[in-house]
Formats: sequence, structure tokens, C-alpha cells
Amino acid sequence: QVLLQESGPGLVKPLETLSLTCTVSGGSIRTHYWIWLRQSPGKGLEWIGYKHYSGSNNYNPSLRSRASVSVDTAKTQFSLRLSSMTAADTAMYYCAGMPVGPIFGWFDPWGQGTLVTVSS
Amino acid sequence: EFVLTQSPGTLSLSPGDRATLSCRASQSLDSRYLAWYQQKPGQAPRLLIYGASSRAAGIPDRFSGSGSGTDFTLTISRLEPEDFAVYYCQQYRSSVMYTFGQGTKLEVK
Repeated sequence: QVLLQESGPGLVKPLETLSLTCTVSGGSIRTHYWIWLRQSPGKGLEWIGYKHYSGSNNYNPSLRSRASVSVDTAKTQFSLRLSSMTAADTAMYYCAGMPVGPIFGWFDPWGQGTLVTVSS
Repeated sequence: EFVLTQSPGTLSLSPGDRATLSCRASQSLDSRYLAWYQQKPGQAPRLLIYGASSRAAGIPDRFSGSGSGTDFTLTISRLEPEDFAVYYCQQYRSSVMYTFGQGTKLEVK
């Protein structure tokens, strides 16, 4: 059973860059695309971007210019960097996996989430 | 823009009842690209259904999904106390833009 655990700061100042890490355990990092999502009361569930260990990736067009997802196979971790944070980026951030296959795009498993607040 | 609209916003039922949740797509959607999730307070969403009707691992068979075109349904045949939660549908037709519905809250009547 693949388990995911997010880590990172809960508080970020405006205009700073958010860095979050998700540790993968109980399975191979090669079997999924690794994705970051967030959830806020105002915008609901929103995907940010994903990456496969092979390098293929994609980003939500609305966040593409500020987001970057990386995968570290040696540490079995993947990470999110989101630059130029504003109050609108305050949300619960989740890491999740998309099983690789001829059709993909559903999210399983999920981390438990980490609340990120943007405030000075 | 691909929009998923869920109804009702809130559904009030009792344990043992049958629940029927709706998800309507703004454009026709191949049923292979529709998923359902359950989210309880303070928890991450949990995958229930993918491909519109395939249950995820470990999901009880009282959960079933159906639909095609623009209309999809999640049915819970007989509600258990642990089923009261918020349910989301999600489309993954395009890897450029995954979208979720706004959710249906299933509450105890």
C-alpha cells in the first residue's frame, strides 16, 4: 500500500516561494504520476501540476508560470515549488498519485494534506 | 471550459436509505474519464470510483457509479453511518485540465 506524507512550512509570507515535499513509502515511485492539488473554500479542489519520474509533466494553465514539480527517485520524494505567493494561495495542499496506465487521471493515493497560510 | 455541476448541494437521508448523487458535465464526456471521491471532515479525499463505474480497491460494493454522455450518478445502496460525507466528481478527459464538481454534502436527516 502506497502511503504519502507531506511536509513543509504552514506559513508563507506574501511574494515568497512555497516549498512542499511529499514522501512516498510502501511502493515504487515509478508506478504513478505524482501530483499536487489544493483545496480552499472559495475555489474548491484544484490541481496544480504533476510529474513522472521519467520527466513528463503538466501544469494547470492558471498556475503554470509559478509552479514547478520535481521528483527525487533516490529519496522517493516529490516536491512542489510555488512562487510569488499571495493570500489567494492560502489553502490545504495535498500530494497524490495518478496510477500510470493507458488511461490515467484519477487520484489515488492521497497524502493527509498540509495547511498553508499566506500572511505577513 | 469543462464544468461539472453536482446536485443536490446537500442531501439529507437516514442510515439504511438509498442515496443518489448526480454529476452533470457541460460537454459530453467519455465515461472512462469520470471519477468519484468521498471526503470526510479533516481528511483528504478518497477515491471511490474511476472510469465512471469501476470501484477502487477496498471500496464496499454498496457504492456504485453509472452514467454516460453528460449525466453521471453515484449510488450508495444502503447508507452506513460512516458514509455521511462530501462527495466530489472529477473529470480527467484532458490532461491539460482536470476539474472537480463543487461537491454534494450527504448529511444525516
